Amino acid sequence: NAGVTQTPKFRVLKTGQSMTLLCAQDMNHEYMYWYRQDPGMGLRLIHYSVGEGTTAKGEVPDGYNVSRLKKQNFLLGLESAAPSQTSVYFCASRDLAGRDTQYFGPGTRLTVL
Amino acid sequence: RKEVEQDPGPFNVPEGATVAFNCTYSNSASQSFFWYRQDCRKEPKLLMSVYSSGNEDGRFTAQLNRASQYISLLIRDSKLSDSATYLCAEGDSSYKLIFGSGTRLLVRP
Repeated sequence: NAGVTQTPKFRVLKTGQSMTLLCAQDMNHEYMYWYRQDPGMGLRLIHYSVGEGTTAKGEVPDGYNVSRLKKQNFLLGLESAAPSQTSVYFCASRDLAGRDTQYFGPGTRLTVL
Repeated sequence: RKEVEQDPGPFNVPEGATVAFNCTYSNSASQSFFWYRQDCRKEPKLLMSVYSSGNEDGRFTAQLNRASQYISLLIRDSKLSDSATYLCAEGDSSYKLIFGSGTRLLVRP
């Protein structure tokens, strides 16, 4: 049982390039989330999903898109990366029946030059 | 006003000390609260959940004060391994958590 995994762990992009971050969970959780964390700041919610085929905007959605085609996967896309998107990205998942406890993946460190 | 606020610290304490952090929240209707621990360059990991007045787990005690809208985390007999950033979070009614910016704890020998 791997829990929540994220791919890749590190990435360097040039301004204007695109990429997709993959989050996978094997706990059969309904809810999944993408956060970004910047120095001195807490976790800020980018987008989230309450089930397969659904997505919703969080606090800082601009410049990102997401898809949840399969229950176990939640993809975060950057269509045209900007230096302001340099951050650490965390994915999390939560069970439908349980309390609000979210379980986090190990993170993706993204640098946009 | 930020919804969840924490003192960023750092709190610098000697081994064996007792240390307490507070976290204030603005949504009086919130029902669930959490303390996460985050080590440098790692993901947050759940430390404790708080749903009613409080929760205790070994050296760690979390308290909820609804009247003053804050939660606290008390760590007794601090260990070097307790050095980390502690994030508090508030659960809202739409499946999301709202995080504070974290409090950094340094435990020195």
